[in-house]
Amino acid sequence: EPEVTQTPSHQVTQMGQEVILRCVPISNHLYFYWYRQILGQKVEFLVSFYNNEISEKSEIFDDQFSVERPDGSNFTLKIRSTKLEDSAMYFCASSKSRGGTEAFFGQGTRLTVV
Amino acid sequence: SQQGEEDPQALSIQEGENATMNCSYKTSINNLQWYRQNSGRGLVHLILIRSNEREKHSGRLRVTLDTSKKSSSLLITASRAADTASYFCATDPKGTDKLIFGTGTRLQVFP
Repeated sequence: EPEVTQTPSHQVTQMGQEVILRCVPISNHLYFYWYRQILGQKVEFLVSFYNNEISEKSEIFDDQFSVERPDGSNFTLKIRSTKLEDSAMYFCASSKSRGGTEAFFGQGTRLTVV
Repeated sequence: SQQGEEDPQALSIQEGENATMNCSYKTSINNLQWYRQNSGRGLVHLILIRSNEREKHSGRLRVTLDTSKKSSSLLITASRAADTASYFCATDPKGTDKLIFGTGTRLQVFP
């Protein structure tokens, strides 16, 4: 069964460092998403991406964040200068279409900023 | 209250009992989905119900949707210890390109 894969599963970084979280969405999906979940809290939407551009982003997704689809398979989230409060589980998701179909999530990358 | 709130926040039952979780939301939606999350793990899609549907079944899962009340329920019948997890509803508001997740219900099923 096709699945969304994320790497690494866990990343520890120092405050102020740049991190890149990587995702390989399901191959025939067209919509890609990043969400995050701070420990013990709800899952929060960060950004959606379609046709090589951001289609929607949340207030959390400020100038420190960026997304890219550098090739036909990968989808990345970059945090330029990490803060302690960026520590969270980051989930990538993909879906065949906008709304109306289920989004499939990866296993997540646990980011710890120290 | 926030878009996508579940109740109860926590539920403990014995194996074989049914578990019911409720979700309320605020805006018009295209569909509502339920996800399961084992502790510290990823989100597993369980079931999707469209805004024009009232009830849907999948195995031991039964989902209802009442758009007039902006609420949904997830029923797990004949629960098993392996059903122990957190369950989240997620709405797909009209005109947006995102899912809004609820606060989740932590279900514990005792053998």
